Amino acid sequence: GAVVSQHPSRVICKSGTSVKIECRSLDFQATTMFWYRQFPKQSLMLMATSNEGSKATYEQGVEKDKFLINHASLTLSTLTVTSAHPEDSSFYICSARNRITSSDGYTFGSGTRLTVV
Amino acid sequence: AQSVTQLGSHVSVSEGALVLLRCNYSSSVPPYLFWYVQYPNQGLQLLLKYTTGATLVKGINGFEAEFKKSETSFHLTKPSAHMSDAAEYFCAVSGGGNTPLVFGKGTRLSVIA
Repeated sequence: GAVVSQHPSRVICKSGTSVKIECRSLDFQATTMFWYRQFPKQSLMLMATSNEGSKATYEQGVEKDKFLINHASLTLSTLTVTSAHPEDSSFYICSARNRITSSDGYTFGSGTRLTVV
Repeated sequence: AQSVTQLGSHVSVSEGALVLLRCNYSSSVPPYLFWYVQYPNQGLQLLLKYTTGATLVKGINGFEAEFKKSETSFHLTKPSAHMSDAAEYFCAVSGGGNTPLVFGKGTRLSVIA
């Protein structure tokens, strides 16, 4: 089945530094990837949609200069949290759509727990 | 646009009892509907999905859901709860194609021995 690998699973960084999260589709090509953020005991909120080779589309209220998304290939999308602050601490999850058989649905990474100290 | 309402942020059942988690959706196009389960500090695992065809969908771990267009509902059921079913459950909807999933707020299921 379709597998999405997300790394790192946990990261602790100092305030003001940047953190990169990778989301990689292992056995399929993902034309579209989605990035979500989940605060404790809350639902998943869509941050942005990234399509291979084009700029990401951000949801209202999400700072595109702070959350940099790159989808340079059909198997890799990255989210970089720039100048991280404690309020950016959250659980970040990526999701990928299969290029060939989109009806297969959405495959999720295992998530990244970001803690900014 | 799509949206999902999950009724009940917390549901508690006894082991062996029926599990019923409620989900109502709103969609301007024929919906694709999903149920996911999430264990603490983990990603999402797909339980089942409805795209087209049979309205009663069977998923993993004995769960099933029925798409009822007239009621705009997609409730999740399991005949007999197991302790391992305790987790957070999310209902989600999309408009198909490359549109993103829109999630409900989630329902935490507790199973009492």
